[in-house]
Amino acid sequence: GAVVSQHPSRVICKSGTSVKIECRSLDFQATTMFWYRQFPKQSLMLMATSNEGSKATYEQGVEKDKFLINHASLTLSTLTVTSAHPEDSSFYICSAMRRDRSNEQYFGPGTRLTVT
Amino acid sequence: GENVEQHPSTLSVQEGDSAVIKCTYSDSASNYFPWYKQELGKRPQLIIDIRSNVGEKKDQRIAVTLNKTAKHFSLHITETQPEDSAVYFCAASINTGGFKTIFGAGTRLFVKA
Repeated sequence: GAVVSQHPSRVICKSGTSVKIECRSLDFQATTMFWYRQFPKQSLMLMATSNEGSKATYEQGVEKDKFLINHASLTLSTLTVTSAHPEDSSFYICSAMRRDRSNEQYFGPGTRLTVT
Repeated sequence: GENVEQHPSTLSVQEGDSAVIKCTYSDSASNYFPWYKQELGKRPQLIIDIRSNVGEKKDQRIAVTLNKTAKHFSLHITETQPEDSAVYFCAASINTGGFKTIFGAGTRLFVKA
């Protein structure tokens, strides 16, 4: 159990366009999902915490109007990168926290975003 | 806020030797300490975790120790194999009205055959 999917796995878009990334917990309910950004050979940087049915909590320095997060159900959270710029190119990974086991997070496979 | 430091950044060992990765955290309220293994281009995988009411936990060749007083926790891998080569991240998790997990910078482990 504890499988998290993420879609798409890779996306290339042009500057100025928006991209939506989906994160789904496939076999468990996740009241909380997290969105991370990872630069090459670096650690995971928490961008925001997404709680089902409420507004996301963004980390300092992360623009909430640029990175729109929606957590519509107990199994789905989406991250939309709006008006993308080349500096937004990165590896975006979501994780989901199991409702029945506090703290444990399971990661999605990540989305490689390239903005041209 | 919580800060997690991880050492070393790179570790190279011979196959069969042990590997130890150490982390420290700053917030004494942190109560959950997972370790993740990330292979190149793949997702982090939870390999072992420890909660603050436990001092040590072992799972086959992997063990984790926690010293709450010193705010240290360590990952020990015995009888290392080439497939253990990856980046390992420690993390500290805290619940202050909402869960937050802060990751260490990572340790790149190379196991030489």
